[in-house]
Amino acid sequence: DGGITQSPKYLFRKEGQNVTLSCEQNLNHDAMYWYRQDPGQGLRLIYYSQIVNDFQKGDIAEGYSVSREKKESFPLTVTSAQKNPTAFYLCASSIGPSIYNEQFFGPGTRLTVL
Amino acid sequence: SQQGEEDPQALSIQEGENATMNCSYKTSINNLQWYRQNSGRGLVHLILIRSNEREKHSGRLRVTLDTSKKSSSLLITASRAADTASYFCATDATPGETSGSRLTFGEGTQLTVNP
Repeated sequence: DGGITQSPKYLFRKEGQNVTLSCEQNLNHDAMYWYRQDPGQGLRLIYYSQIVNDFQKGDIAEGYSVSREKKESFPLTVTSAQKNPTAFYLCASSIGPSIYNEQFFGPGTRLTVL
Repeated sequence: SQQGEEDPQALSIQEGENATMNCSYKTSINNLQWYRQNSGRGLVHLILIRSNEREKHSGRLRVTLDTSKKSSSLLITASRAADTASYFCATDATPGETSGSRLTFGEGTQLTVNP
């Protein structure tokens, strides 16, 4: 089965702790993205990567970090510097650097800071 | 920054009726996409319309794009209870055709189809 997996589905973190969200895809897609969704809101772009070993900040990158060491993987770290991290996090991928590509989404990780 | 704004925020209809959702945006775009999200799940791509297209169909879906008014509409015909979900428009305003797809999402329309 081809697709995007995110783990875990639910994550609880104590204030002041860093936490890493996993995103893996076996679609052979070059581009990957991380979004944040707050209740009743649309998606906001955190970081994106168009190719291995390269990534760019999105609209709300402060308090987050990413790496792209492998084509299949794009983990997101939510650091203690993120002031309001409780949200639903969605990972997506698209086939490559073309403006006419759809994005494929994972099932999401719901992060709650206690 | 929110590029797309959907209207209405919420829509409740009976099964069999048509549902129309609208999206307005602010800047020039390369394409506009519609996505669907079931509660607590990831998004699913529905349809992409390019800036030089005016209308596109896919099954029970019909999308229109008016670049002069910077607006798009999504029509779902003969709705079913299973169509209940949030629907988002997303615009791609990335300069240049090979610079990659960076989407900006609206806040969505919550559609409820009552059986």
